[in-house]
Amino acid sequence: AQSVAQPEDQVNVAEGNPLTVKCTYSVSGNPYLFWYVQYPNRGLQFLLKYITGDNLVKGSYGFEAEFNKSQTSFHLKKPSALVSDSALYFCAVRDQNRDDKIIFGKGTRLHILP
Amino acid sequence: DTAVSQTPKYLVTQMGNDKSIKCEQNLGHDTMYWYKQDSKKFLKIMFSYNNKELIINETVPNRFSPKSPDKAHLNLHINSLELGDSAVYFCASSPIQGARAEGYTFGSGTRLTVV
Repeated sequence: AQSVAQPEDQVNVAEGNPLTVKCTYSVSGNPYLFWYVQYPNRGLQFLLKYITGDNLVKGSYGFEAEFNKSQTSFHLKKPSALVSDSALYFCAVRDQNRDDKIIFGKGTRLHILP
Repeated sequence: DTAVSQTPKYLVTQMGNDKSIKCEQNLGHDTMYWYKQDSKKFLKIMFSYNNKELIINETVPNRFSPKSPDKAHLNLHINSLELGDSAVYFCASSPIQGARAEGYTFGSGTRLTVV
């Protein structure tokens, strides 16, 4: 079955430092991977996606993600964190074997320290 | 204009009651979804409709019944509410079922509290 794993429940980063939120995936076939962000009391917002092509994908709010096939990873990154980046981040994969629905990881809470 | 709108935003009700949550999208999308986010923030798909036809029906109690009067609307009716139904319910839509390159557009959620 297709799945994603987010090994960290919470990541703390000082403002201005680079941040990484980790995600690994397990898929058969070509992966379709996504990152979403959820701010408090809000719905999920699309950040970026990987379909094919360049391994470095650029998205909204200065975020980017690096697709690494050999490590089956799709880590979310940002060169310089802002306090406003504090939110819940979800990695997701499209389940191509069954119904094509998007399956979400358990989420990682990113806390940017001022 | 709100792309995917859900009503109500908050819903507090007693055990045993029946309630409905409504969802509407103005994006012209063909597929709509209901997700449940539990207290640990875990997101799990419940239902999916493509152009009014039920596509996905995960292991959800029969008390939950989705209804799609047209492709722009997907409502969720819950009978005999239980304490464990307390969660945030998200509606989402996507352009075409099977359009793997597309993500979903989410509504802002309905926080259901059963007391």
